[in-house]
Amino acid sequence: EAGVAQSPRYKIIEKRQSVAFWCNPISGHATLYWYQQILGQGPKLLIQFQNNGVVDDSQLPKDRFSAERLKGVDSTLKIQPAKLEDSAVYLCASTYGGSASGANVLTFGAGSRLTVL
Amino acid sequence: GQNIDQPTEMTATEGAIVQINCTYQTSGFNGLFWYQQHAGEAPTFLSYNVLDGLEEKGRFSSFLSRSKGYSYLLLKELQMKDSASYLCAVMDSNYQLIWGAGTKLIIKP
Repeated sequence: EAGVAQSPRYKIIEKRQSVAFWCNPISGHATLYWYQQILGQGPKLLIQFQNNGVVDDSQLPKDRFSAERLKGVDSTLKIQPAKLEDSAVYLCASTYGGSASGANVLTFGAGSRLTVL
Repeated sequence: GQNIDQPTEMTATEGAIVQINCTYQTSGFNGLFWYQQHAGEAPTFLSYNVLDGLEEKGRFSSFLSRSKGYSYLLLKELQMKDSASYLCAVMDSNYQLIWGAGTKLIIKP
């Protein structure tokens, strides 16, 4: 089966500019996650969708970050305006069911690396 | 607060065995995951433990003790391609994954 697709792989922008990342999960996977991974740290959950509804966005900086999954399939994460501290890899992941388990493993995409200058 | 502790970096020799420890303090427990992440790549799933004991999968094994809040990942017959970061993640009582910062494993010939 095809994996989780993400684009772009790399993006360099100036601070205060905007950027958007796209993710297409594994076909049939209802749950989609966006994570932020800063160099040397573990992934930090930004937002979790179940189909087209938001399950958890408690750690999403809503003054500058937004995400949508309008048709319950692919998703877009936007940052506007970007700050220097937003430099990170943005990982998209998906699972078939609601919560990850040994039988419902979280599968990640290759990530989008953002550099804010 | 919730916390996952892993050593920042470890070094081992090709062909040897290495044990990467993970201790956790979380609000509840619904399973523990180990992921491997090569530099610049996505994390990939290695193992899952929800009951105490050892789970073996080829050269990799993972152990869990829920009473001690402790897990380890054991890698045998180390190969150069095992050089990567190893991430420990715990699912809490709200079924949210709490991630450690990862352990960078360096394999030397």
